[in-house]
Amino acid sequence: QSALTQPASVSGSPGQSITISCTGTSSNVGGYNSVSWYQQHPGKAPKLMIYEVSSRPSGVSNRFSGSKSGNTASLTISGLQAEDEADYYCSSYTSSSTPYVFGAGTKVTVL
Amino acid sequence: EVQLVESGGDLVQPGGSLRLSCAASGFTFSGYGMFWVRQGPGKGLVFVSHINSDGSSATVADSVKGRFTVSRDNAKNILYLQMNSLRVEDTAVYYCARGGVPASADYWGQGTLITVSS
Repeated sequence: QSALTQPASVSGSPGQSITISCTGTSSNVGGYNSVSWYQQHPGKAPKLMIYEVSSRPSGVSNRFSGSKSGNTASLTISGLQAEDEADYYCSSYTSSSTPYVFGAGTKVTVL
Repeated sequence: EVQLVESGGDLVQPGGSLRLSCAASGFTFSGYGMFWVRQGPGKGLVFVSHINSDGSSATVADSVKGRFTVSRDNAKNILYLQMNSLRVEDTAVYYCARGGVPASADYWGQGTLITVSS
């Protein structure tokens, strides 16, 4: 069982906005601004989409945005496109002896 | 262009050992911390280890502590993961990744498959 809780699946129609939540505790998400989001297409390596809660790496579309409130972080995809269909994982630094933790992943389906 | 190429994946029996390598190019390897992350078949991403840029500080997940060791050779631009006492549950694709931004992995290799089975 992952320390970070994500919904198993989220779906939306092209052009819509969707939000994926990532709920942790004060020992991880709530305690640090070190939340990241990764996109993974089937059979491919993960790709960093968001770091430090809301920063976007160079080259990542501004349709992807991140935020955090308390122990819950969120990834919002606006203007949903077919190519956004993938698995999305949140990650956070933690105060535990295992310093980083991932969520179990959310499958995004574009209807 | 940043490139990370893992190698060393294989089929190994429970209790066996394996060493993974990750060859880095396209950036100043000695300037970055590095990660190992694994993904079991049909499962999610799991942190395995992190090592800082000069190799002086390394951490591994509790699930592999005492069995896995991370190291690096900055002269050769190679990251290593020594895996001992392998278990069936260690079966996964192992990715190396660059820690190019705070607490995150900004570039990933394509992964190498470890299968632990008798």
